[in-house]
Amino acid sequence: GAGVSQSPSNKVTEKGKDVELRCDPISGHTALYWYRQRLGQGLEFLIYFQGNSAPDKSGLPSDRFSAERTGESVSTLTIQRTQQEDSAVYLCASSLAPVTQYFGPGTRLLVL
Amino acid sequence: SQQGEEDPQALSIQEGENATMNCSYKTSINNLQWYRQNSGRGLVHLILIRSNEREKHSGRLRVTLDTSKKSSSLLITASRAADTASYFCATLYSGGGADGLTFGKGTHLIIQP
Repeated sequence: GAGVSQSPSNKVTEKGKDVELRCDPISGHTALYWYRQRLGQGLEFLIYFQGNSAPDKSGLPSDRFSAERTGESVSTLTIQRTQQEDSAVYLCASSLAPVTQYFGPGTRLLVL
Repeated sequence: SQQGEEDPQALSIQEGENATMNCSYKTSINNLQWYRQNSGRGLVHLILIRSNEREKHSGRLRVTLDTSKKSSSLLITASRAADTASYFCATLYSGGGADGLTFGKGTHLIIQP
């Protein structure tokens, strides 16, 4: 498919474990965003990659969160020592311009 | 595809004045969200208003929603220089998933000191 894909679609983990979430953006999209969405709430920006520029990490809630992107392709979001408060849907989006961001289906993370 | 459309495209006001931005959309929605984006940075969620709500406040922000007119407005009171940014509305389609979230082109707000 030509859309943004994310894996896994669902992840259940135990408190204290590390998790890694993956995002495959639309080919050719230079911008990639990670967001978090708690139940019933709006998107919470986490991190933004634009081409080869240094990523904007201003939204990462703590140093347990990190993300990497290989060139203009795959990105991984890593959460270390997960806490119950990390339970949310983690959404990835890619775009060519801010006008429209194409979102993936998200990864639903549940920390027990 | 559905898209929120903001107006004006650009707005320049003096610090301390109020700023009003409008957004129109095309089909039914579950909710409408407003975001801010500073130059070169990611989107910051400001406020979400549900389709059954008419008005919502958060600090200096006031959002209204008129589902009969398919429009929303964002009011920033007592503006500050730090409010200079682009503001986007985003709509989530009724019955859609996260991939139904689409942003408009935005209003570029400049607050003159």
